Amino acid sequence: NAGVTQTPKFQVLKTGQSMTLQCAQDMNHNSMYWYRQDPGMGLRLIYYSASEGTTDKGEVPNGYNVSRLNKREFSLRLESAAPSQTSVYFCASLSGLNYGYTFGSGTRLTVV
Amino acid sequence: KNEVEQSPQNLTAQEGEFITINCSYSVGISALHWLQQHPGGGIVSLFMLSSGKKKHGRLIATINIQEKHSSLHITASHPRDSAVYICAVDNTDKLIFGTGTRLQVFP
Repeated sequence: NAGVTQTPKFQVLKTGQSMTLQCAQDMNHNSMYWYRQDPGMGLRLIYYSASEGTTDKGEVPNGYNVSRLNKREFSLRLESAAPSQTSVYFCASLSGLNYGYTFGSGTRLTVV
Repeated sequence: KNEVEQSPQNLTAQEGEFITINCSYSVGISALHWLQQHPGGGIVSLFMLSSGKKKHGRLIATINIQEKHSSLHITASHPRDSAVYICAVDNTDKLIFGTGTRLQVFP
């Protein structure tokens, strides 16, 4: 099915461990985004990529890195996880036309 | 003050009721989005609008650019409409999100 695929769905990390969240879309969208969602707060932008080969910081980039591997894939890396990074992470893509955003199903990350 | 404010934060309704969720914003925008997040966590885009009104089934979204205000209406509400409804605005290539309105519709 067309859409945005995120992996993994759940992850528990120990403080200091690293991991990469994977995101892929098969809709030929140019723009891709990583958000985090915390209780009582709206989704906040971590990083985004307006096109293949470009990435830019969002509102809360500290502690994260991203890689736009090709037009389909946009990964988010935590080099040294901290408890403050416990959150639900969403990847999204935008068609650039008038169809709105498509979101992945989310990754629930717990850092202990 | 948040740049995107939604009201109410929580809303309870009986099946069949007409529901209105409001969104006000304080920044310049190119478009406004209404999203739906079900208890399982997935987020679905309902509407993207920059002027006027859009309708999809029992859902209607309106926007008043001059007043910086948008409303999402649900007609003949149903328990399956229970979800969190999120307003987000497109501001200089990024989305700014409201904190959401939690809707519960009881049979």
